[in-house]
Amino acid sequence: DTEVTQTPKHLVMGMTNKKSLKCEQHMGHRAMYWYKQKAKKPPELMFVYSYEKLSINESVPSRFSPECPNSSLLNLHLHALQPEDSALYLCASSQGITSRLGNTIYFGEGSWLTVV
Amino acid sequence: SQQGEEDPQALSIQEGENATMNCSYKTSINNLQWYRQNSGRGLVHLILIRSNEREKHSGRLRVTLDTSKKSSSLLITASRAADTASYFCATVYINNNDMRFGAGTRLTVKP
Repeated sequence: DTEVTQTPKHLVMGMTNKKSLKCEQHMGHRAMYWYKQKAKKPPELMFVYSYEKLSINESVPSRFSPECPNSSLLNLHLHALQPEDSALYLCASSQGITSRLGNTIYFGEGSWLTVV
Repeated sequence: SQQGEEDPQALSIQEGENATMNCSYKTSINNLQWYRQNSGRGLVHLILIRSNEREKHSGRLRVTLDTSKKSSSLLITASRAADTASYFCATVYINNNDMRFGAGTRLTVKP
């Protein structure tokens, strides 16, 4: 079982709505990630936070806004999304920045987002 | 963008047979990780192999890494129907702080 918890598991939202996806880990990890995964495709990196600071933004549209309130929590705020944004959104965490420490990245079960 | 390519894209075998999946990548890496994903679920970490390692084992899993060929393979021995899933390799760059996934292999193990 994963120790990265994502809520909600399923979310349906209209294109004018504002909603948020939440992610929590209690493993003391200092790096947290958001990935987006479309059906039958691999996960694509969106954002990386290291020590609560945004370290990587993969040119994600501004309608996706990440937030890291503390080292255990990671949010993804959603506003004015498009139907093509419908996907599985995966949160992950690791002890530190993987390229230096070679640490395992642990994933949550994901949040299924449908934009109507 | 994706870093690696995996082959085959799909693999169907009988229970008890071995399954081999390959992953190739383009730039120097710090480490490579293999994940399993059951349909519609999160990713389960299988093995991490560092760039200075050549082979690792975990139960029925064997992973090899050839940095000269920029490739890795995942071998599942004595496969079971429960091994049916998508398998992804993910590479961590030396100069970047992120992890990129290959296209994945969809494995079907028939009972």
